[in-house]
Amino acid sequence: QVHLEESGGGVVQPGRSLRLSCAASAFIFSNYAMHWVRQAPGKGLEWVAVVSFDGNKKYYADAVKGRFTISRDNSKNTLYLQMNGLRVDDTSVYYCATDRAPYGIGEVEHWGQGTLVTVSS
Amino acid sequence: AIQMTQSPSYLSASVGDRVTINCRASQDIRSDVAWYQQRPGKAPKLLIYSASNLQNEAPRRFTGSGSGTDFTLTISSLQPEDLATYYCLQDDIYPYTFGQGTKLEIK
Repeated sequence: QVHLEESGGGVVQPGRSLRLSCAASAFIFSNYAMHWVRQAPGKGLEWVAVVSFDGNKKYYADAVKGRFTISRDNSKNTLYLQMNGLRVDDTSVYYCATDRAPYGIGEVEHWGQGTLVTVSS
Repeated sequence: AIQMTQSPSYLSASVGDRVTINCRASQDIRSDVAWYQQRPGKAPKLLIYSASNLQNEAPRRFTGSGSGTDFTLTISSLQPEDLATYYCLQDDIYPYTFGQGTKLEIK
């Protein structure tokens, strides 16, 4: 059973930085692309970023491009999201999620339970 | 970015009803659509991928169809546990984009 556990959320002031982590277990982490998806309180889902299985390809939503960086450490089975220049409208639950197929980038499949990031002065 | 226009935003139906949710893409995205179910307070779950393929653990009453720009999620016989918000996702062109969601209520 795929297990994903996000951490690193909290309350942060506008303009500051935060790094989220996602610890993965019970599957071969290094074979799968990984995504971040967020959900503002009471709102819909918003795809944030994806990194390929080997870390060589990264794609971002327009709203976070240039401010957020997705990365992974396959030796630690861990996914990261470095968030700089945080804005009030970045306030969301951030989910990490696996891709469905090995070695490619496709559908978002398994999701963690999420970590809440609140940007407020 | 590709826009995914999902309809309706809200739907109320009875147990046993057939329910249909639609998504329209702003451009041709082949069959690169997935559907998700998000129950209240929970993380989303993948139901359908590549427009019409049922995810392993998803109940058979869920079916997906469509290609190009128009896609449909159908629940053949609504069950009480289907109370949830449903989202489409296009995974054809970056950045990926979700529909706005359909909140499904059981009468």
